[in-house]
Amino acid sequence: QKEVEQNSGPLSVPEGAIASLNCTYSDRGSQSFFWYRQYSGKSPELIMFIYSNGDKEDGRFTAQLNKASQYVSLLIRDSQPSDSATYLCAVKTGAGNQFYFGTGTSLTVIP
Amino acid sequence: DGGITQSPKYLFRKEGQNVTLSCEQNLNHDAMYWYRQDPGQGLRLIYYSHIVNDFQKGDIAEGYSVSREKKESFPLTVTSAQKNPTAFYLCASSIPTLGNTIYFGEGSWLTVV
Repeated sequence: QKEVEQNSGPLSVPEGAIASLNCTYSDRGSQSFFWYRQYSGKSPELIMFIYSNGDKEDGRFTAQLNKASQYVSLLIRDSQPSDSATYLCAVKTGAGNQFYFGTGTSLTVIP
Repeated sequence: DGGITQSPKYLFRKEGQNVTLSCEQNLNHDAMYWYRQDPGQGLRLIYYSHIVNDFQKGDIAEGYSVSREKKESFPLTVTSAQKNPTAFYLCASSIPTLGNTIYFGEGSWLTVV
């Protein structure tokens, strides 16, 4: 059973649109949730983290967490071609202080 | 500058050889991790360490070994027992605050020739 699941995509959106990326997790004891961006051939870069139910906004990015549904999402407003990358969802579980990563969603922003 | 330094960036291994990937951090982080990423795949945990002189196996530890003799250093050895070692290897560290945010080095590409 996978700990963290993401739709692998690819997801394509036109420039200026909102991109919506989704992630579900299996461990109800999970405490912290992270979104990373990974360009091809590069290491993941942290976009933002969230640990309370609700929304958290940072610039064009909004993370949404619903612990009851075990669901976390990332919205990217005013998408730019430079946002084209793979987005990884990561979850920190309660036991063992381990991080589990989804397989990532590939996003392409079309100029 | 503070950060996580991995070396070498590119490494070629012959069949039957052991190779060691270096990971050094000057962020004063207690926890360090090694992940493996195959093309088009997610990150899989190889080993992690929360404190000096202690480390635990992750999901795919077979064929790998690590040491944690210093807080700053967490080298990974890919042994000849690892039958399919060609992959992108990522070292990471985390801090106990900010939700234990995990930060990555630039990665090392290992290819078997």
